[in-house]
Amino acid sequence: AQSVSQHNHHVILSEAASLELGCNYSYGGTVNLFWYVQYPGQHLQLLLKYFSGDPLVKGIKGFEAEFIKSKFSFNLRKPSVQWSDTAEYFCAVNAFTGGGNKLTFGTGTQLKVEL
Amino acid sequence: DSGVTQTPKHLITATGQRVTLRCSPRSGDLSVYWYQQSLDQGLQFLIQYYNGEERAKGNILERFSAQQFPDLHSELNLSSLELGDSALYFCASSVGGPDTQYFGPGTRLTVL
Repeated sequence: AQSVSQHNHHVILSEAASLELGCNYSYGGTVNLFWYVQYPGQHLQLLLKYFSGDPLVKGIKGFEAEFIKSKFSFNLRKPSVQWSDTAEYFCAVNAFTGGGNKLTFGTGTQLKVEL
Repeated sequence: DSGVTQTPKHLITATGQRVTLRCSPRSGDLSVYWYQQSLDQGLQFLIQYYNGEERAKGNILERFSAQQFPDLHSELNLSSLELGDSALYFCASSVGGPDTQYFGPGTRLTVL
């Protein structure tokens, strides 16, 4: 079964600092990869996704992520964070197992951006 | 707004009771997924339906069941509720294959 690890559980940054959140997954086959964001009191929103092609994907709000197949990683980056980026970030994997289309989520990273 | 709707937003009930959560997928989506989000378990996949048929099952308790109706809306039934069932229950929908899932606003269930 696939699993997802997010190494940073809590991150505190000042505005304008750069962000990198780690995500590693374990599955040897083909995967689709996602980052979702959950703002306080709200539902999950898609930030970006990787299905195939260019391993550097750009999402909404200036976020990007790089898929490194050899490292089983899909790290999320943003060059300059804003206070409004305060939220919880989830990495998710959809593995092609033929048994449906479930997403396996990491435990999430709580990001707090201070003014 | 993802286009996925869920009702009710909040539900408070007692142990031993039964509740039904409802989800309407985005227009055109055939797959519906249910997830549970709790502090100790994180986000866990429960079950997927595709065009009325069960497609995949995750960590869903036997006390829980779901179905998808001909109009593609779905209901998640939780019975013999326990304190530990208190959580946020999210519904998501997608076109059908291994594509992007769009999440609804969730139902917060509190079992007292």
